[in-house]
Amino acid sequence: TQLLEQSPQFLSIQEGENLTVYCNSSSVFSSLQWYRQEPGEGPVLLVTVVTGGEVKKLKRLTFQFGDARKDSSLHITAAQPGDTGLYLCAGERANNFNKFYFGSGTKLNVKP
Amino acid sequence: NAGVTQTPKFRVLKTGQSMTLLCAQDMNHEYMYWYRQDPGMGLRLIHYSVGEGTTAKGEVPDGYNVSRLKKQNFLLGLESAAPSQTSVYFCASSYTFGTGSPLHFGNGTRLTVT
Repeated sequence: TQLLEQSPQFLSIQEGENLTVYCNSSSVFSSLQWYRQEPGEGPVLLVTVVTGGEVKKLKRLTFQFGDARKDSSLHITAAQPGDTGLYLCAGERANNFNKFYFGSGTKLNVKP
Repeated sequence: NAGVTQTPKFRVLKTGQSMTLLCAQDMNHEYMYWYRQDPGMGLRLIHYSVGEGTTAKGEVPDGYNVSRLKKQNFLLGLESAAPSQTSVYFCASSYTFGTGSPLHFGNGTRLTVT
């Protein structure tokens, strides 16, 4: 079993729709990061959240860290084909800085 | 502006063969990592290093060895490859300014073991 569970695993939507991706765990994290990965490339950092309840916005993407720092969500408003990719969450445990555990990923396809 | 460079990009091995994957970073980062990525499994940490001359085991270290003789390089070795090691391998690096340091990834090495 993985430390971080991501859902859904796959998501195929039409351009303009909204979506939310979830990242859940029973463990507490000192920080949680979201990455996006394109085919044939390595993941690229989107955002880092470190405070329970924190909300960060990156254009049409909204990231939230749970109050207890065990879960996070990524919400995309009015999705565009350019948002297509694999979204990964990664948690850093409080007693082990700079050691990251990744979720299994959410593969998003936005159709024009 | 190279960042993290992995070589080779692709490799095919026969069961029992050995090979070394090379990772080089030009950002003067202290921490370096090796991950493997398999379908439906996300990224799993194999080994990591917190500085030159140090290495530590991650989640799935069996069958792999690593070395960090120079700060900028992190090598991943497979002594006797097995089909279960067919995967995409990613190297990453980060600095150590406390919690939340971002990981910088290379573009991966696709390894097939037949």
